[in-house]
Amino acid sequence: EVYLVESGGALVQPGGSLRLSCAASGFSFSDYWMSWVRQAPGKGLEWVANIKVDGSEKYYVDSVKGRFTISRDNAKNSLYLQMNSLRADDTAVYYCARGGRYRFDYWGQGTLVTVSS
Amino acid sequence: DIQMTQSPSSLSASVGDRVTITCQASQDIRKYLNWYQQKPGKAPKLLIYDASTLQTGVPSRFSGSGSGTDFTFTISSLQPEDIATYYCQQYDNVPPRHTFGQGTKLDIK
Repeated sequence: EVYLVESGGALVQPGGSLRLSCAASGFSFSDYWMSWVRQAPGKGLEWVANIKVDGSEKYYVDSVKGRFTISRDNAKNSLYLQMNSLRADDTAVYYCARGGRYRFDYWGQGTLVTVSS
Repeated sequence: DIQMTQSPSSLSASVGDRVTITCQASQDIRKYLNWYQQKPGKAPKLLIYDASTLQTGVPSRFSGSGSGTDFTFTISSLQPEDIATYYCQQYDNVPPRHTFGQGTKLDIK
């Protein structure tokens, strides 16, 4: 069975940094594109970033370009999101999702990031 | 950037009703459209991909249709467990970027 477990969410001050992790199991991690999708409190879903199987291609929503970096470690079956210069409007539940080339077929339970002073 | 307009934003229906949600793209997206279900406090779940293909394990009362700019998601006979928010999602092929619709909150009358 496919499992995606996010961690690293926390309360952080505006301008601060945070690194999210996603541990994957139950499938061949290195064969799949992976993504981060977020959901602000009471709001809809927003795709944040995706990364190709070997990490050679990465894409971002315009609002996080230059501030967030997606990466992966296929040897550790792990996906990461480094978030810098955090703003209040980055407050959201961040989901790790399998896929990102076409669709998101499995999702983790999410980790909450709160940006507030 | 491609914009997705999903309607209605909320919907109330009775058990057994046929329910329809629409999603309109701002430009031709061929069949590059997926549908998700999100129950309160839970992660989204993929139901339909490429406009009309049912994801493995999803009940056949769920279906999708459309191509180009206009898409429809249908529940043929609403069940109590279908109470959720439903989202459409389009993907650009090159580069692979994604946009979600605003969501449709479905509840039971």
